[in-house]
Amino acid sequence: ETGVTQTPRHLVMGMTNKKSLKCEQHLGHNAMYWYKQSAKKPLELMFVYSLEERVENNSVPSRFSPECPNSSHLFLHLHTLQPEDSALYLCASRPKTRGWGMNTEAFFGQGTRLTVV
Amino acid sequence: QKEVEQNSGPLSVPEGAIASLNCTYSDRGSQSFFWYRQYSGKSPELIMFIYSNGDKEDGRFTAQLNKASQYVSLLIRDSQPSDSATYLCAVHSAGANNLFFGTGTRLTVIP
Repeated sequence: ETGVTQTPRHLVMGMTNKKSLKCEQHLGHNAMYWYKQSAKKPLELMFVYSLEERVENNSVPSRFSPECPNSSHLFLHLHTLQPEDSALYLCASRPKTRGWGMNTEAFFGQGTRLTVV
Repeated sequence: QKEVEQNSGPLSVPEGAIASLNCTYSDRGSQSFFWYRQYSGKSPELIMFIYSNGDKEDGRFTAQLNKASQYVSLLIRDSQPSDSATYLCAVHSAGANNLFFGTGTRLTVIP
């Protein structure tokens, strides 16, 4: 266990559904990330929140909507998804520092396996 | 242009052998380099990080960095079946909020 918890672990949803993914950490980290992992593709950064402020949005379609109500919780709201959105969605957290130096590794949650039908 | 490139494998080595995993990156300003291991169905977990040119050893693992060649590698000595996993190379550039990941190399250690 890394201390980063994601729920649900598996999700099947129709293209017209609305669902939310949840990420929770109590490591005292104040930067949180959503990554998408598709087969045979590198991990893709979707959103970065630092001190509860969104600092990066990598041209993610508006059908994905993040929310960070506090430094311990991160949500990804999903609506009208497409089959190509099926993937493993990983949440990560790390202490906010000036760079990715020593002891600033990212801790990943177990991921949510999303299938859009 | 891919930021970080890895051979997707699969790479198969016999138990007890040395497994060599390679990674190249495109941004010369990259400063921090990480190797993550990901078992099937699990999340990535950090194995090693390296910042300076040369070798860094931790148990059976050795990370090697050559910034001039924009190349980073991971050697696993005395490979064990439990080392069978996908190994992800990740690179960070100064001032960026992101880690750029490669597609990963799938390693199989044959008993």
